[in-house]
Amino acid sequence: DVKVTQSSRYLVKRTGEKVFLECVQDMDHENMFWYRQDPGLGLRLIYFSYDVKMKEKGDIPEGYSVSREKKERFSLILESASTNQTSMYLCAVKRPGNQPQHFGDGTRLSIL
Amino acid sequence: DQQVKQNSPSLSVQEGRISILNCDYTNSMFDYFLWYKKYPAEGPTFLISISSIKDKNEDGRFTVFLNKSAKHLSLHIVPSQPGDSAVYFCAASRYSGGYQKVTFGIGTKLQVIP
Repeated sequence: DVKVTQSSRYLVKRTGEKVFLECVQDMDHENMFWYRQDPGLGLRLIYFSYDVKMKEKGDIPEGYSVSREKKERFSLILESASTNQTSMYLCAVKRPGNQPQHFGDGTRLSIL
Repeated sequence: DQQVKQNSPSLSVQEGRISILNCDYTNSMFDYFLWYKKYPAEGPTFLISISSIKDKNEDGRFTVFLNKSAKHLSLHIVPSQPGDSAVYFCAASRYSGGYQKVTFGIGTKLQVIP
């Protein structure tokens, strides 16, 4: 099974800071995703990527950007962190086609 | 517009009995359905999936049923074990704009009582 590693389990940042969340996979899967999970709202897709240097907006991209310079690494960037971006952030990877996503353990981000 | 709905936020079941988690969807273009399990402070773990050309898929204690006419799927866990206590997410997938798009429900918290 693919191993998905998120750089931090817990992170505390201040309003206005630029925040980087990193995700690395060990299996060379093409597809990578960033979600946020909030109580009562489930998992919501922020951005995804189907190849190096390729990115597509998900359902809630506002306030975020992404970078995929190498196939194994997908970064989520909060350009200017705000308190409403306090959440659990989850990275996922999958192979093309009808295949399940495999998730990292998540980063619990608090913006003060 | 919530395309994948899990209407029960929580469910309690006695150990050894059957757990039935339900999921409804609205978009008939969904063609692949999945269930994930999530423990606190961990990422979701893939559990079982089903293609729209099937109506049942089994994997050990877990069975997923799909009723396309009713746009309904369910996950059965038999027998339920305390380690099954977790949040279960239903997900549905379809091709849109050249890529596969996955939509998740909001989750159902299952508690299996010893």
